[in-house]
Amino acid sequence: AQSVTQPDIHITVSEGASLELRCNYSYGATPYLFWYVQSPGQGLQLLLKYFSGDTLVQGIKGFEAEFKRSQSSFNLRKPSVHWSDAAEYFCAVGQTTDSWGKLQFGAGTQVVVTP
Amino acid sequence: NAGVTQTPKFQVLKTGQSMTLQCAQDMNHEYMSWYRQDPGMGLRLIHYSVGAGITDQGEVPNGYNVSRSTTEDFPLRLLSAAPSQTSVYFCASGPRGGPAETQYFGPGTRLLVL
Repeated sequence: AQSVTQPDIHITVSEGASLELRCNYSYGATPYLFWYVQSPGQGLQLLLKYFSGDTLVQGIKGFEAEFKRSQSSFNLRKPSVHWSDAAEYFCAVGQTTDSWGKLQFGAGTQVVVTP
Repeated sequence: NAGVTQTPKFQVLKTGQSMTLQCAQDMNHEYMSWYRQDPGMGLRLIHYSVGAGITDQGEVPNGYNVSRSTTEDFPLRLLSAAPSQTSVYFCASGPRGGPAETQYFGPGTRLLVL
């Protein structure tokens, strides 16, 4: 069975510092990989996704993620964090054998940005 | 486009009461789904639909019913609410094409069952 692990429940980062959120997945083949962000009281917004090609993916709001097959990881990064990046971040996987859009989510990482 | 809309935003129920969470999308998406979000557990799939008249169970379907009579609407019914169903519920929709397609999420319904 596939699974998604986000090892960090909570991360505190200073404004202007870099941010890296970890995501590991377990799946028999290369899955489709996603990062979503949930701002307080809001729904989920897609930051970026990977399903083939270049393993470094650029997303919205200055985020990027790198797919590493050998480590079964899809870590999210941002070089310089803004206060508005305080939110909860979810990694998700979709099965390549799935004809539709079922997603399996990690538990999420809460990001706090300090001045 | 309004995207994915959900009503109500917040609801308090007593144990045993029934209610329907509404979800609508105006993007003509074939795929719609319901997730529940609980602390430390991320989002878990409850039910999904691949078109009008077609629904299937997700990871945590017990206690919930769905139907899809139109492309636009996908209501989630709680027939007899239990405290374990206290959660935040998200509806999502996406086009045919598989998980490579972007899923669009509604703003959520926060449900408290006393």
